[in-house]
Amino acid sequence: DTAVSQTPKYLVTQMGNDKSIKCEQNLGHDTMYWYKQDSKKFLKIMFSYNNKELIINETVPNRFSPKSPDKAHLNLHINSLELGDSAVYFCASSHSYRFSNQPQHFGDGTRLSIL
Amino acid sequence: QKEVEQDPGPLSVPEGAIVSLNCTYSNSAFQYFMWYRQYSRKGPELLMYTYSSGNKEDGRFTAQVDKSSKYISLFIRDSQPSDSATYLCAMSLYSGGGADGLTFGKGTHLIIQP
Repeated sequence: DTAVSQTPKYLVTQMGNDKSIKCEQNLGHDTMYWYKQDSKKFLKIMFSYNNKELIINETVPNRFSPKSPDKAHLNLHINSLELGDSAVYFCASSHSYRFSNQPQHFGDGTRLSIL
Repeated sequence: QKEVEQDPGPLSVPEGAIVSLNCTYSNSAFQYFMWYRQYSRKGPELLMYTYSSGNKEDGRFTAQVDKSSKYISLFIRDSQPSDSATYLCAMSLYSGGGADGLTFGKGTHLIIQP
């Protein structure tokens, strides 16, 4: 069973469109994250959620709106896609954002390409 | 200056060699240090997880943390072609990653030649 799963794996779309990426974890973790990995392979945090509540929002444009319907799911909706949004988006989870005997587990990423 | 510096490589070594990967960081508040391995088109996979200064060994892998120098290392003994991947160092203030998540280096692309 995949611990952190993301859908879709690949997403190719045109500039200006709106798209969503979904993430689910079956580890029973309380905290979930979205990271962005750009073309230079640099992984950077975007959002952190704990028990469905937003706890951090880095300097991300408000075109990006995360939603957590329950603590096992964290989705990312992106409005008015721009060329610079092309990247790999990773979902991750951890038992607790503060104290845990394990750090974060990552999904395999969603590769977003904007034409 | 970036928070975490890591040489992107590529680093190419022959099979069986000892590999040394390292990162330097600027934030002395970091307490938890990790090494992740990332294969092409896959997510980062945790290899080593250490707290504070010292060494930790797991099979062919040894993680070393020197907080006084703000320097962490990963050593791979008896390297195998299957070790070819990108190795990312990561660190955080809290064991769970913190609200800010993990702070990553850029990753070092390692190639083990058969």
